[in-house]
Amino acid sequence: DAGVTQSPTHLIKTRGQHVTLRCSPISGHKSVSWYQQVLGQGPQFIFQYYEKEERGRGNFPDRFSARQFPNYSSELNVNALLLGDSALYLCASSSGGGFLGAGNQPQHFGDGTRLSIL
Amino acid sequence: GQQLNQSPQSMFIQEGEDVSMNCTSSSIFNTWLWYKQDPGEGPVLLIALYKAGELTSNGRLTAQFGITRKDSFLNISASIPSDVGIYFCAGRNSGGSNYKLTFGKGTLLTVNP
Repeated sequence: DAGVTQSPTHLIKTRGQHVTLRCSPISGHKSVSWYQQVLGQGPQFIFQYYEKEERGRGNFPDRFSARQFPNYSSELNVNALLLGDSALYLCASSSGGGFLGAGNQPQHFGDGTRLSIL
Repeated sequence: GQQLNQSPQSMFIQEGEDVSMNCTSSSIFNTWLWYKQDPGEGPVLLIALYKAGELTSNGRLTAQFGITRKDSFLNISASIPSDVGIYFCAGRNSGGSNYKLTFGKGTLLTVNP
């Protein structure tokens, strides 16, 4: 079975531009989360979506937005790119929704999109 | 953003040696997870822990969920060269915000053949 797939694998943008990153979860998983990983750090939580609704948001500015589609795939959008947005953007999927009663389902990660801002 | 206290930051060991790393938090978690990340790849789940005091093994890996719910450790026995990589602990909060993972900064493991 295919794992979490992300596209593109690498992307180079300049400051001020906009970027869209895509994620397809593991088949049967309804929850998708996005994380930002800068070099030398652990991943930082950005968003979680479950059944097409936002369930949680991390401490990121409004330039970051996301959505989830009926097939449970997801997009992460970042506007007005800054140099500090250069990072590995990871998508993770799980079968549970992360809210009380949904069970403790572990998250499985894709290989990420490496975004470089010039 | 918040990150867990993970130590050691890096380790350089000889093949065959045992390894131990740990993670502490000021907050209580109801789930602890351990991931391994290789260069150019995403984190891969190694072990998930769901209950305080739980001790779980996966091959040569053993992890424990601390009784206080604020810490966890990972042991690797008889290390081999393919154990090289960055190991991350991650905790999931109790209560309504239990959707997100909070990660440590990682432990870089180097194994000398």
